Amino acid sequence: DIQMTQSPSTLSASVGDRVTITCRASQSISMWLAWYQQKPGKAPKVLIYDASILASGVPSRFSGSGSGTEFTLTISSLQPGDFATYYCQQYGNYWTFGQGTKVEIK
Amino acid sequence: EVQLVQSGAEVKKPGESLRISCEGSGYSFGTYWINWVRQMPGKGLEWMGRIDPRDSQTTYSPSFEGHVTISVDKSINTAYLQWTSLKTSDTAMYYCARGPDSGGYWGQGTLVTVSS
Repeated sequence: DIQMTQSPSTLSASVGDRVTITCRASQSISMWLAWYQQKPGKAPKVLIYDASILASGVPSRFSGSGSGTEFTLTISSLQPGDFATYYCQQYGNYWTFGQGTKVEIK
Repeated sequence: EVQLVQSGAEVKKPGESLRISCEGSGYSFGTYWINWVRQMPGKGLEWMGRIDPRDSQTTYSPSFEGHVTISVDKSINTAYLQWTSLKTSDTAMYYCARGPDSGGYWGQGTLVTVSS
């Protein structure tokens, strides 16, 4: 099984901050990596797929990069609606999710 | 508009059986696998397994194989997740979903509560 390790688990930030979340795969997954945002009581929403492609309707302040085993999600300027939990997901070999990163208000 | 619409919340007792559903609309249902994902209270996302609606081929996560059954009725564009004997540890939100590279559509979730 492919394991996904996400860091940090919690991140405290302010509106306007640049935020970076990292995800590491236990083996190469090429570019089969997605990022999701989940707010309390809601289903996850895809932000990025194929490591760097912005999903439809997602603001351009979100970006993804990486390939192989190391990936990052960057929010260039954190907005009030971005305080949420973020998950990475590999889909190169079935699915595995990272443990999540909660972005909270500093 | 593509939608995955799940059945409503359930409250069950340990040992009871349950089947929850996920109906797809707005697209050719047989084109994309349907995946099931568990989220226990306050916890992260866990992939349970998937089904190919074209031929009903299933793949399960080792963590869930033998405890749940995934099935599909292509004639009504609906996938199912089934338990024959629920445990209190099955209390969770369950989501059906398409892959992130096929639009990333998720159902709204079905809350299953198992309590004596």
